[in-house]
Amino acid sequence: DTEVTQTPKHLVMGMTNKKSLKCEQHMGHRAMYWYKQKAKKPPELMFVYSYEKLSINESVPSRFSPECPNSSLLNLHLHALQPEDSALYLCASSQERVGGYGYTFGSGTRLTVV
Amino acid sequence: EDQVTQSPEALRLQEGESSSLNCSYTVSGLRGLFWYRQDPGKGPEFLFTLYSAGEEKEKERLKATLTKKESFLHITAPKPEDSATYLCAVLGGSSSNTGKLIFGQGTTLQVKP
Repeated sequence: DTEVTQTPKHLVMGMTNKKSLKCEQHMGHRAMYWYKQKAKKPPELMFVYSYEKLSINESVPSRFSPECPNSSLLNLHLHALQPEDSALYLCASSQERVGGYGYTFGSGTRLTVV
Repeated sequence: EDQVTQSPEALRLQEGESSSLNCSYTVSGLRGLFWYRQDPGKGPEFLFTLYSAGEEKEKERLKATLTKKESFLHITAPKPEDSATYLCAVLGGSSSNTGKLIFGQGTTLQVKP
């Protein structure tokens, strides 16, 4: 299995809703990442987990809450989002943090906040 | 500060018309330069990793090269299915412990039949 699977593919949520994005990989990668991508822009790093511990938080607002229950799963819990948070949310994984072999990205979750 | 600049921003080619995409970078201690292809609404797809100046890698109609200051993605006889946004990213020594890739803005390639 050489894939990163993200669910759901599309999500529409109101500003008062609570929802979660899910990411799963079975490649034995020990580093997992959340990226946010706006239209016609490159991906922006949000969080890095290394060996299931949060190692990087790129000053992301607390309405985004990551969780890594085990080495194969990564969640992103969403609460009280703003319309400007609408974007493509990408999960990625790599062998440890160095990422020298490249990241494997998932197909993303297209989030729309109304 | 690590920086990546891609050019051109957009490129239109006729099918079969070869060309090159440029990725200029400034990084302290390059640990790897990555090329990705991204289709609209999809996640980036890994193409190549280059580690040192002089290195070249090929895959079908694509060939990536690396110098100390820039990388080129050469596309030979492109087909319409090569249309996509091509992203360049670097991993520098200052961020190798975090795994944080620095991305360029991308080049959007359109190949017309």
